[in-house]
Amino acid sequence: KQEVTQIPAALSVPEGENLVLNCSFTDSAIYNLQWFRQDPGKGLTSLLLIQSSQREQTSGRLNASLDKSSGRSTLYIAASQPGDSATYLCAVSNDYKLSFGAGTTVTVRA
Amino acid sequence: DAGVIQSPRHEVTEMGQEVTLRCKPISGHDYLFWYRQTMMRGLELLIYFNNNVPIDDSGMPEDRFSAKMPNASFSTLKIQPSEPRDSAVYFCASSPWWREGDGEQFFGPGTRLTVL
Repeated sequence: KQEVTQIPAALSVPEGENLVLNCSFTDSAIYNLQWFRQDPGKGLTSLLLIQSSQREQTSGRLNASLDKSSGRSTLYIAASQPGDSATYLCAVSNDYKLSFGAGTTVTVRA
Repeated sequence: DAGVIQSPRHEVTEMGQEVTLRCKPISGHDYLFWYRQTMMRGLELLIYFNNNVPIDDSGMPEDRFSAKMPNASFSTLKIQPSEPRDSAVYFCASSPWWREGDGEQFFGPGTRLTVL
């Protein structure tokens, strides 16, 4: 069974600092990895999807890397803003299913 | 496109009552998923459909839970009878392509269910 772990569980940084969120998974036979953002009381918004053949994916201030062989992904958010405060979830796709980590809750202090 | 639409957004009911959650997937998406999110267990897949046919319902916790997809634009998740431990946020997601898990899922805003 795929196990997905996200460390740290919570993170608080001052505005302008770069964010580094980690995700690890136990079964490297994945099709892809998605990073989602979840705001309190809201649904999940897809941020980035990295195919298993890719090493990284970028969108604006967001950059996600994938090291499939070691079972790791990192989400970098450059120059954080208070609006980046949310819970970030990673999810890996294999065995016909999407398996989620518990998330990292980020607070960006103004 | 309006995205995945779920209703109601909030539901409060009493133990023993029937609860029906509704979902409208993104037009053209052939795959529909139902998830449950709790603090203890995180996000869990309950069931998913392909072209209105249930493919994997191994995540449905008990016979009290049932899901249907009568057409390509509508699905329901029913809990009968409801229990306090069913309190959670239920998400619906859709995907234009999934087959072996090699696609992307788009999530709705969720229904927050509270069973008293």
